[in-house]
Amino acid sequence: GAGVSQSPRYKVAKRGQDVALRCDPISGHVSLFWYQQALGQGPEFLTYFQNEAQLDKSGLPSDRFFAERPEGSVSTLKIQRTQQEDSAVYLCASSFSDRGKSPLHFGNGTRLTVT
Amino acid sequence: AQTVTQSQPEMSVQEAETVTLSCTYDTSESDYYLFWYKQPPSRQMILVIRQEAYKQQNATENRFSVNFQKAAKSFSLKISDSQLGDAAMYFCAYRSLLNTDKLIFGTGTRLQVFP
Repeated sequence: GAGVSQSPRYKVAKRGQDVALRCDPISGHVSLFWYQQALGQGPEFLTYFQNEAQLDKSGLPSDRFFAERPEGSVSTLKIQRTQQEDSAVYLCASSFSDRGKSPLHFGNGTRLTVT
Repeated sequence: AQTVTQSQPEMSVQEAETVTLSCTYDTSESDYYLFWYKQPPSRQMILVIRQEAYKQQNATENRFSVNFQKAAKSFSLKISDSQLGDAAMYFCAYRSLLNTDKLIFGTGTRLQVFP
């Protein structure tokens, strides 16, 4: 596709439910990033993939958060037993290479609301 | 650890006028990248301008330019001839050359443009 695609655009979950958020990066992009953006804040790094390898997951807030990219393209961010503090916009971004200069292309995000 | 600070939560400007958004950062690294991203209500982060720290010349992209002061660790964004479509959240971001996976964002500045 022309850009990074994320689905669903909106997700409402009851506390305790599991959710799965999907990211379709730009074709051929090696690097994929997940960010969490709380209301009124800047995005905060969650995790990073280079192809199928998860090279950095230092930003995942708890072991309830899990991300995968099994074939080096589409990625899924899974949140188990959702809590109210998980409510945020989850942004996915991809870039052509892992070099710092390669710009990140962001999707429109998934807004997760936990009730 | 690197940090990015945006001290102006909100700014406003009259259409066709010029506005400057401030950003400071803290790092012990000598080489890195700095970015300004725009986030409209659609939530997609759009790259506005990029600066490599080793370049002394300030980056310019049409109506957008930066004032990069490396010694002061300051990276402000100037928007000239402001247009209604410039209204959005603006985020300053830092990317290390040593740790090229993460973008570190500031908390953002909401820019309003009045006709």
